[in-house]
Amino acid sequence: KQEVTQIPAALSVPEGENLVLNCSFTDSAIYNLQWFRQDPGKGLTSLLLIQSSQREQTSGRLNASLDKSSGRSTLYIAASQPGDSATYLCAVRLGTNAGKSTFGDGTTLTVKP
Amino acid sequence: DTEVTQTPKHLVMGMTNKKSLKCEQHMGHRAMYWYKQKAKKPPELMFVYSYEKLSINESVPSRFSPECPNSSLLNLHLHALQPEDSALYLCASSQSDRWDEAFFGQGTRLTVV
Repeated sequence: KQEVTQIPAALSVPEGENLVLNCSFTDSAIYNLQWFRQDPGKGLTSLLLIQSSQREQTSGRLNASLDKSSGRSTLYIAASQPGDSATYLCAVRLGTNAGKSTFGDGTTLTVKP
Repeated sequence: DTEVTQTPKHLVMGMTNKKSLKCEQHMGHRAMYWYKQKAKKPPELMFVYSYEKLSINESVPSRFSPECPNSSLLNLHLHALQPEDSALYLCASSQSDRWDEAFFGQGTRLTVV
């Protein structure tokens, strides 16, 4: 059974700081890994999708990496802003069961002005 | 347009009521999903439809009944729910159930009284 872990569970940083969120998974047979952000009471917003054959993806101030062999992904946020405050979730789509994604518990980020 | 629209946004229902949640996308996606999310927890997969056929049912109680009338619409019919079914219900879609980016709606906040 695929297990997905996100560390840390919560993170508070001053505005302008660069930061890294971590996601680890136990089964490397994946189709892809997707990072989302979720604001309180809202739906999930897709940030980045990394296919199993890729090493990293970038969008603006965000960079996500994937090391499938070690079962790890990181989301790097550069020059953090108060508007980045949200819960960040990673989801791993299993390669052995099409359609099924397993989510980590998320990291709640607070960026202080 | 990467929008998944869910209606209603909020729903309060009694345990003897019958209600339906609706999800719509016009991106031509052929995979659609229902997730349930409790407070401070990650989304949990309930159902997956691929090409309008139910491909995954994660052992969801029969009081939840999904329906995919066409490739753009996904419904979740609710009957005889329990208070513990109160949660945020999220719909998502992707081009296929394997390689593609998943997009989520804003969710329906369901309260069972």
